[in-house]
Amino acid sequence: DAGVIQSPRHEVTEMGQEVTLRCKPISGHDYLFWYRQTMMRGLELLIYFNNNVPIDDSGMPEDRFSAKMPNASFSTLKIQPSEPRDSAVYFCASSGTASSSYNEQFFGPGTRLTVL
Amino acid sequence: GNSVTQMEGPVTLSEEAFLTINCTYTATGYPSLFWYVQYPGEGLQLLLKATKADDKGSNKGFEATYRKETTSFHLEKGSVQVSDSAVYFCALTDTGRRALTFGSGTRLQVQP
Repeated sequence: DAGVIQSPRHEVTEMGQEVTLRCKPISGHDYLFWYRQTMMRGLELLIYFNNNVPIDDSGMPEDRFSAKMPNASFSTLKIQPSEPRDSAVYFCASSGTASSSYNEQFFGPGTRLTVL
Repeated sequence: GNSVTQMEGPVTLSEEAFLTINCTYTATGYPSLFWYVQYPGEGLQLLLKATKADDKGSNKGFEATYRKETTSFHLEKGSVQVSDSAVYFCALTDTGRRALTFGSGTRLQVQP
């Protein structure tokens, strides 16, 4: 299994630009999570999906952030417009209800975003 | 709400020393508890987990016991190696909520 795949691995952009982060979960997993890691706030949940439906988006900072999951194998996190305070590492994770590792989340390598 | 509190780092040890990283939690339901490890420049990897009181999770020489009476899940290893140098996160999921709540992380540095 290829694991959770995220792209790009690094993104440098200027303030005001649109940024799109992408995630491909592990095949067969029905939960997908987006987390953000910063020095100040640590690891925090942004949003998670079950069967492509958003379940909890209480961690999404503001209207500039949006996430979609159009199908079971792809999700995007979009920031528009981006601001310097959005600079962080964004992780995608997935988990499967039916697997023997129930409730275990598998993380991607992360996207390091820098907004200048 | 739910929360996880970890001991502040960094923790610096010599190779073969005994490791303890303290973790306590607050949860409203019946949480599952996890330790994740993050090596430099990488994502998080599950190290071990426990899903109910008195369960002991273990992996790669690391152990942690789910103590409901003290709401704790301390990580231990009898003899650390340089390759164990990483950041360790204690985390939980709670009844009806699959998302992880993380502690602040503890950086471990093992010197040869």
